[in-house]
Amino acid sequence: AQKITQTQPGMFVQEKEAVTLDCTYDTSDQSYGLFWYKQPSSGEMIFLIYQGSYDEQNATEGRYSLNFQKARKSANLVISASQLGDSAMYFCAMRETTGGFKTIFGAGTRLFVKA
Amino acid sequence: DAGVTQSPTHLIKTRGQQVTLRCSPKSGHDTVSWYQQALGQGPQFIFQYYEEEERQRGNFPDRFSGHQFPNYSSELNVNALLLGDSALYLCASSRNYRPGDIQYFGAGTRLSVL
Repeated sequence: AQKITQTQPGMFVQEKEAVTLDCTYDTSDQSYGLFWYKQPSSGEMIFLIYQGSYDEQNATEGRYSLNFQKARKSANLVISASQLGDSAMYFCAMRETTGGFKTIFGAGTRLFVKA
Repeated sequence: DAGVTQSPTHLIKTRGQQVTLRCSPKSGHDTVSWYQQALGQGPQFIFQYYEEEERQRGNFPDRFSGHQFPNYSSELNVNALLLGDSALYLCASSRNYRPGDIQYFGAGTRLSVL
């Protein structure tokens, strides 16, 4: 069955430093997509980055990169040069090809960036 | 280019009442999904609409129903409200729904059931 696990309920990082948010997933599908979203206190889910299961290179989007290790079923988000505005909840999500159309989310990690 | 818009932003209801939440998708998007996010948890998939039909449903009772209109906008209806229905309801839109298609979310409707 589909499952997303985020084991870090909260993380602290110093401004301008890099931080890694962990995500592991469970699926029996060969074709799937992995996503990271940011949710500020306002509530809106903001798309950050996408990785397809067949993509050989790790995805990057500006200061965000996804460390994709397929054999270990992990899809960690790396944020470089943290900014105060990065303080938010971060959710890892997955969508399978054969599992229909739903996307499942992890429980999230709350990131606190310290000045 | 307007993103996904949801209304209302906040809503207070009492147990047993019915509620309707509305969503307008991002321009160019034809697929709308609804999610329930309880406090401190990740979003849970309720259902998805495409071509005015419910295409897939998550593990939610029939009290939760929806509709998609010809202009792709959508409504989520919840009947016989329970205290446990208090949550942030998020609408997401995308172009059809291939695995790589990105879902864009609205700011949500925060529902409180008293």
